[in-house]
Amino acid sequence: AQTVTQSQPEMSVQEAETVTLSCTYDTSESDYYLFWYKQPPSRQMILVIRQEAYKQQNATENRFSVNFQKAAKSFSLKISDSQLGDAAMYFCAYSAGTSYGKLTFGQGTILTVHP
Amino acid sequence: DTGVSQNPRHKITKRGQNVTFRCDPISEHNRLYWYRQTLGQGPEFLTYFQNEAQLEKSRLLSDRFSAERPKGSFSTLEIQRTEQGDSAMYLCASTGSGPGEQFFGPGTRLTVL
Repeated sequence: AQTVTQSQPEMSVQEAETVTLSCTYDTSESDYYLFWYKQPPSRQMILVIRQEAYKQQNATENRFSVNFQKAAKSFSLKISDSQLGDAAMYFCAYSAGTSYGKLTFGQGTILTVHP
Repeated sequence: DTGVSQNPRHKITKRGQNVTFRCDPISEHNRLYWYRQTLGQGPEFLTYFQNEAQLEKSRLLSDRFSAERPKGSFSTLEIQRTEQGDSAMYLCASTGSGPGEQFFGPGTRLTVL
């Protein structure tokens, strides 16, 4: 069974600084997708960034980028120039290419941004 | 399109009662998922629909749980004889095709007293 592990229950960062959230996963699949989702307090979960396992290039979306280490099964999220609006619970998620797109989530990391 | 909607947003019920939740996905999305999220944890997959067909059910979905998606549009999740352990946020998500971005609804928070 696939598992996703986020070892940092909480992280904090100063506004305008950079923070990295960690995620490791376990799978025997060769075709899969990795995601970072953001869940602000009492608000809907939204996609931050997506990485296809077959792509060697790390995904980037504006201030958000990932460090995808396929051999190590590691998928970290870097947030640059942190903003107060980045404060949220962040979930790392996995989807096997052979599945129907169902997501397996990690336990989440609460990110606090200090002004 | 206003995104994925879920109703009710909150439900308080007594143990042993039946409850039903509704999810309206984004209209052109043929894939619909239900997840359960307990406080401080990541969501856990419950079940998946492609159009009106329920193609996968998690072992978390006991016999007391049933889900439908008539005509491939909205979906309902019913819990019979609720237990205190059913207290959680029930999330619905939809997507068009493939393992792409899932669009989540605001969830229904269930409290079983």
